[in-house]
Amino acid sequence: GQQLNQSPQSMFIQEGEDVSMNCTSSSIFNTWLWYKQDPGEGPVLLIALYKAGELTSNGRLTAQFGITRKDSFLNISASIPSDVGIYFCAGQLGTGGFKTIFGAGTRLFVKA
Amino acid sequence: GAGVSQSPSNKVTEKGKDVELRCDPISGHTALYWYRQSLGQGLEFLIYFQGNSAPDKSGLPSDRFSAERTGGSVSTLTIQRTQQEDSAVYLCASSLGRLGKTQYFGPGTRLLVL
Repeated sequence: GQQLNQSPQSMFIQEGEDVSMNCTSSSIFNTWLWYKQDPGEGPVLLIALYKAGELTSNGRLTAQFGITRKDSFLNISASIPSDVGIYFCAGQLGTGGFKTIFGAGTRLFVKA
Repeated sequence: GAGVSQSPSNKVTEKGKDVELRCDPISGHTALYWYRQSLGQGLEFLIYFQGNSAPDKSGLPSDRFSAERTGGSVSTLTIQRTQQEDSAVYLCASSLGRLGKTQYFGPGTRLLVL
């Protein structure tokens, strides 16, 4: 079945540093999504990518949909303490249904 | 309500008992998803409902798990004869379906099987 490999598993950074995380897959996806989950809450969508090569920003966040449609990355610039949380990538095939496959998550810790 | 709601927020049960978890999607959302998140893990797809179509049950881990969606709105996930390995957070999400893929998640139900 489809699987997403997300890395790194965790990151410990200093406030103000930039962060980069990525996802790869052996399968092609038509949509890539990046979510953030705060403790005790459900994931919240950060960025959605619909076209190969697409680069999209949301404030300090930037994500790209890989040309091969098998990978995506998320960058966070000038990290702040509230960036702490778990970041998930997710892929959707989008054909005949909207089954979504999630990566295992990247746990981000920011030291003030 | 404004968002997806789930109940109960926490459930402690004994091994072998049945449990029912409820999800109220955002009004007007035709698609509804259930996921399971074990401690420190990612989200595991369980089941997906879209309108009146047959649900995609491909993620249900065993026949002890079932879900239904009544009237195209509220959904119930039932786990029969619970086992300790069923302990996890069960997350529900809804979306506009074919009109929109963005999934909005509820806060989850934390299930602990003793």
